[in-house]
Amino acid sequence: GENVEQHPSTLSVQEGDSAVIKCTYSDSASNYFPWYKQELGKGPQLIIDIRSNVGEKKDQRIAVTLNKTAKHFSLHITETQPEDSAVYFCAASISNYQLIWGAGTKLIIKP
Amino acid sequence: SQTIHQWPATLVQPVGSPLSLECTVEGTSNPNLYWYRQAAGRGLQLLFYSVGIGQISSEVPQNLSASRPQDRQFILSSKKLLLSDSGFYLCAWSGGAHEQYFGPGTRLTVT
Repeated sequence: GENVEQHPSTLSVQEGDSAVIKCTYSDSASNYFPWYKQELGKGPQLIIDIRSNVGEKKDQRIAVTLNKTAKHFSLHITETQPEDSAVYFCAASISNYQLIWGAGTKLIIKP
Repeated sequence: SQTIHQWPATLVQPVGSPLSLECTVEGTSNPNLYWYRQAAGRGLQLLFYSVGIGQISSEVPQNLSASRPQDRQFILSSKKLLLSDSGFYLCAWSGGAHEQYFGPGTRLTVT
């Protein structure tokens, strides 16, 4: 069946450095790829998304890139700050109504 | 703007007791609604989704059920809780364009 693989499961970076999280999807029909940030004890928050007709999208320190040929997409966070510490989830659409989710990446920003 | 509410925020229930979790959305009409469960330190498992009143799709067979008595109300129920039902329950809504927005969640502990 369809799946999304997310790597790494844990990422520790120095404050101010960049962080990159990668996801690979299996369904070639997927055309929507969101990224969510989940802080401890809270619901996931949509931080950025990309559709299949676009290769890259930026929003301040956050960017997402998509390679449809290779079926992978990545989240890039530059100039990381302590408040970026959280669990990040990627997802890919598998129908008009459903997303299939990666397992999550725990991002730790070291002061 | 749209708002999603979940209650209760936390719940401790004994094994074998019933369950009712409620989710309501404000500021939109005819949303797609979703129930997810998240085990401690794990990813998101889709339990149910609904594209309209009375229309419920189940993704995982288990002792839980869902109902949508009104357009913007989604209820998750169980007649008899199991220890394995413990987790963080998240409700989400979508306007039909794939983006899903999550509520604050309900932390359920079955003892």
